[in-house]
Amino acid sequence: DTAVSQTPKYLVTQMGNDKSIKCEQNLGHDTMYWYKQDSKKFLKIMFSYNNKELIINETVPNRFSPKSPDKAHLNLHINSLELGDSAVYFCASSLQGVTEAFFGQGTRLTVV
Amino acid sequence: RKEVEQDPGPFNVPEGATVAFNCTYSNSASQSFFWYRQDCRKEPKLLMSVYSSGNEDGRFTAQLNRASQYISLLIRDSKLSDSATYLCVANYGGSQGNLIFGKGTKLSVKP
Repeated sequence: DTAVSQTPKYLVTQMGNDKSIKCEQNLGHDTMYWYKQDSKKFLKIMFSYNNKELIINETVPNRFSPKSPDKAHLNLHINSLELGDSAVYFCASSLQGVTEAFFGQGTRLTVV
Repeated sequence: RKEVEQDPGPFNVPEGATVAFNCTYSNSASQSFFWYRQDCRKEPKLLMSVYSSGNEDGRFTAQLNRASQYISLLIRDSKLSDSATYLCVANYGGSQGNLIFGKGTKLSVKP
């Protein structure tokens, strides 16, 4: 069983579209994250959720909105996609905020 | 400011070499530290946690110096399969969760 799974693995879409990336973890963890890895390979935290509450909201555009229907899921919705949004987006989870994080396989988003 | 700084490399070493990576973090309140490994086009995977007393896992040794806010990773007897990017991680924000990654150090082990 995959511990942290995200879908889709690849996403190609046009500028201006709205898209969502789904993430689920079956580890019983309390904290989930979204990270963005750009072309320079820098892994930058976007959001983290602890027990369904947004606790860290980095300075990302408000076109990005995390949605957590329950503790096991943290989806990422992106409005009005721009070329600069092209990147790999990783979902991750950890038991607590101070413990190690486990990553999903990533979603490679390409905006054309 | 939340920062984790690493030498980006690349480090090109022959098989069997010993290589050391260094990392500094800016928040003295950080409580936990890790080294991750990321292979090309793959997700980051935990290599090892870093404890104040230092810890070893086979050929890998991690050290933490809280006074200097410095973390290190030593790889002995390098293998071709060690070729990857190594990411230093520190937590910010206490128990609420905010794992900050360094930009990574690329290692290439050559035959």
